Amino acid sequence: DTEVTQTPKHLVMGMTNKKSLKCEQHMGHRAMYWYKQKAKKPPELMFVYSYEKLSINESVPSRFSPECPNSSLLNLHLHALQPEDSALYLCASSQVKAGRVLNTEAFFGQGTRLTVV
Amino acid sequence: DAKTTQPISMESNEEEPVHLPCNHSTISGTDYIHWYRLLPSQGPEYVIHGLTSNVNNRMASLAIAEDRKSSTLILHRATLRDAAVYYCIPLKPGANSKLTFGKGITLSVRP
Repeated sequence: DTEVTQTPKHLVMGMTNKKSLKCEQHMGHRAMYWYKQKAKKPPELMFVYSYEKLSINESVPSRFSPECPNSSLLNLHLHALQPEDSALYLCASSQVKAGRVLNTEAFFGQGTRLTVV
Repeated sequence: DAKTTQPISMESNEEEPVHLPCNHSTISGTDYIHWYRLLPSQGPEYVIHGLTSNVNNRMASLAIAEDRKSSTLILHRATLRDAAVYYCIPLKPGANSKLTFGKGITLSVRP
């Protein structure tokens, strides 16, 4: 199984709502990532988790709150978002050994298309 | 982080070879060169990676210059499905390794 599964595929939320994006992989990867992609732009890295601990936060606003409850799951909790946060949110995973991200391929999910109204 | 320079776009005919160049003159000795592509309406897809030697896999070949300041992704027979944005990404393995996408090169494939 080389899949990264993201749910939901589409999400529409109001600016006062709280919602969560979910990501799951069963490849034994201990590094997991959140990316944000706006239309016609490359994906932008948001967060990196290594061994279920947050290792990189690319200065993301606190209205985005990541969580890694176990080695297979990654969540992104959303609260008080703005319309400009509408984008495709991508999750990815890759192998880690001895605390170092290995030089192997990252697997990406198909993303959650988020619209904030 | 090493900077990369890629042409904005390239066109190819179906079933012909395609050579996609990338300059990464500030690459460090421990950075691997990764290539990913972004197909329409899909998440990024790994293509190939290498360090110094040329590499082949079922999708493509990667030719790395001897001084490592540039590399070329080679698609041996382009198909319509290969139309995508291709990203060349220097990547250093390690605790703070970050897969960061630049502007990429848009490949169009003519039938």
